[in-house]
Amino acid sequence: AQSVAQPEDQVNVAEGNPLTVKCTYSVSGNPYLFWYVQYPNRGLQFLLKYITGDNLVKGSYGFEAEFNKSQTSFHLKKPSALVSDSALYFCAVRAPFSGGYNKLIFGAGTRLAVHP
Amino acid sequence: DGGITQSPKYLFRKEGQNVTLSCEQNLNHDAMYWYRQDPGQGLRLIYYSQIVNDFQKGDIAEGYSVSREKKESFPLTVTSAQKNPTAFYLCASSPGTGTWSTEAFFGQGTRLTVV
Repeated sequence: AQSVAQPEDQVNVAEGNPLTVKCTYSVSGNPYLFWYVQYPNRGLQFLLKYITGDNLVKGSYGFEAEFNKSQTSFHLKKPSALVSDSALYFCAVRAPFSGGYNKLIFGAGTRLAVHP
Repeated sequence: DGGITQSPKYLFRKEGQNVTLSCEQNLNHDAMYWYRQDPGQGLRLIYYSQIVNDFQKGDIAEGYSVSREKKESFPLTVTSAQKNPTAFYLCASSPGTGTWSTEAFFGQGTRLTVV
């Protein structure tokens, strides 16, 4: 079955420290991987994606993510966290299925709390 | 501005009522989606549509219905058959078939509460 796992419900980081939000996936074929961020009572905002090529992708607001095919992971990272980064983060994978329809599968989300 | 508009932002439903959530996009996207978000469960797909006049059930379609009569509109009706409708509902769109590398764009959501 195709799935996305975010093993941590919450990640706590001090401002200025590096942060990592973990994501692993299970899909057949080559995945397209995405990270989104959600602020309270708002929709999801796109941060970055991996399609092909360089395993390290850079996105919005200083975030980056590293694709690791052997570990089937796509962890989100930032070298120096800001209090304003506090939000809910979702990892997603796009996997084709029968009928040719594309489908975006989401993880359960990880709440990032950055403390001053 | 281009984007996806969901309305209303907050919606209250009485027991036994049907309610309809609106989703409109001006991005000229073919594909549209409805997700339900509950705390700790991430986003679950309710229905999706790849083209006008076509839609498919997602993972949790029971108690919901949709229509896709126009490219820019994909309304979701929460029927009285949905026993636990209180949730945050998100609409999304993407360019469609053949563009799987393109991210989906989301509306700001509708919070539905049963009273």
